[in-house]
Amino acid sequence: SAVISQKPSRDICQRGTSLTIQCQVDSQVTMMFWYRQQPGQSLTLIATANQGSEATYESGFVIDKFPISRPNLTFSTLTVSNMSPEDSSIYLCSVLDRLGNTIYFGEGSWLTVV
Amino acid sequence: GDSVTQMEGPVTLSEEAFLTINCTYTATGYPSLFWYVQYPGEGLQLLLKATKADDKGSNKGFEATYRKETTSFHLEKGSVQVSDSAVYFCALSGSRDDKIIFGKGTRLHILP
Repeated sequence: SAVISQKPSRDICQRGTSLTIQCQVDSQVTMMFWYRQQPGQSLTLIATANQGSEATYESGFVIDKFPISRPNLTFSTLTVSNMSPEDSSIYLCSVLDRLGNTIYFGEGSWLTVV
Repeated sequence: GDSVTQMEGPVTLSEEAFLTINCTYTATGYPSLFWYVQYPGEGLQLLLKATKADDKGSNKGFEATYRKETTSFHLEKGSVQVSDSAVYFCALSGSRDDKIIFGKGTRLHILP
């Protein structure tokens, strides 16, 4: 299984600021995914981040609001830009373990925008 | 597109009761199916999975069988405990891409 570390684990952010979330994996993975879980809701896929190419965004999410970097096979970042209270969510990084055909999740970054 | 539908909660049961959380899916091809659990204040954990028809996933007393004929992956446990109180998410990973699509989640409360 893959071990995924996310930073920060929690943060309280001011409206209008931006925050970058880091995701580190203990093994090389091809595909990484970023999800959002708004309070009391299910998980929604923001984008798929592949190394060496631009991230692929889902409907309703745009690069200007959620820029993503994927500099190597073990690391990715998600930035939440110009935050508003509606961005208060848990943001989760996940990776595909092809060998086990399983997707694993980090512990999540719990953001509150005030 | 692919989708997952699971029974709405909250589901409230007494300890040692039998649990079923229904999950059905729509997908092209042959998806992999998962149940994830989220305990209060914690991240998402993989509970069990099944990758082909008739496979049974099991873990911590929970079971789910991949039923292609009914496009279902219902979660069951014979005797629930208070510690099983959590939100349970049914999910699929499509055969054409590796994205996971989640159901809306079912909150489970177990009373002592």
